[in-house]
Amino acid sequence: DTGVSQNPRHKITKRGQNVTFRCDPISEHNRLYWYRQTLGQGPEFLTYFQNEAQLEKSRLLSDRFSAERPKGSFSTLEIQRTEQGDSAMYLCASSFGTNYNEQFFGPGTRLTVL
Amino acid sequence: AQTVTQSQPEMSVQEAETVTLSCTYDTSENNYYLFWYKQPPSRQMILVIRQEAYKQQNATENRFSVNFQKAAKSFSLKISDSQLGDTAMYFCAQKPHSGGGADGLTFGKGTHLIIQP
Repeated sequence: DTGVSQNPRHKITKRGQNVTFRCDPISEHNRLYWYRQTLGQGPEFLTYFQNEAQLEKSRLLSDRFSAERPKGSFSTLEIQRTEQGDSAMYLCASSFGTNYNEQFFGPGTRLTVL
Repeated sequence: AQTVTQSQPEMSVQEAETVTLSCTYDTSENNYYLFWYKQPPSRQMILVIRQEAYKQQNATENRFSVNFQKAAKSFSLKISDSQLGDTAMYFCAQKPHSGGGADGLTFGKGTHLIIQP
């Protein structure tokens, strides 16, 4: 296993369309995180899973956003009725075990909403 | 609410010099973790160094070390003998030490470090 993978790497969509991103964490990592990073800013936390349970959601995660991790392995992040303000890099990270453990980041999915 | 502030948007130093990146934070937690992450151009973020708030000894990883001042809520990163490969965005981040709840990282806006040959 070479690391966290994300697909697609780039997505261009029109305003109002739905998009779905996939994240495959490092094998055996029980925690999986989603972040959003806009140009010139640091990543902002969206949500995280421990196994298949979604344990925390940020206020940034509006009703149009939904994340799942059905079997405790890969995760999907769906954005419904996309807006231009959703344009950003969406980062996935995974970790194993306790709070102190390193979060390993994927390369991200860059979303552009026209 | 937790906040992380990085006051230096960009820094530039010559290769082999020592550079210090500053970071201040705010938290109501008594115990928490602090991290420095590096994001090279067009590459994914990687962990540089981490510190547990209840440990007084400053963390060190090879050429990277931190100056952790808990009372001042300051967590600066020192890079010694800087190399061209150190050119990247550097993000300071924190998260609380909690049992099973909050586990997301709070990041600063980053410092763009440029190492000149």
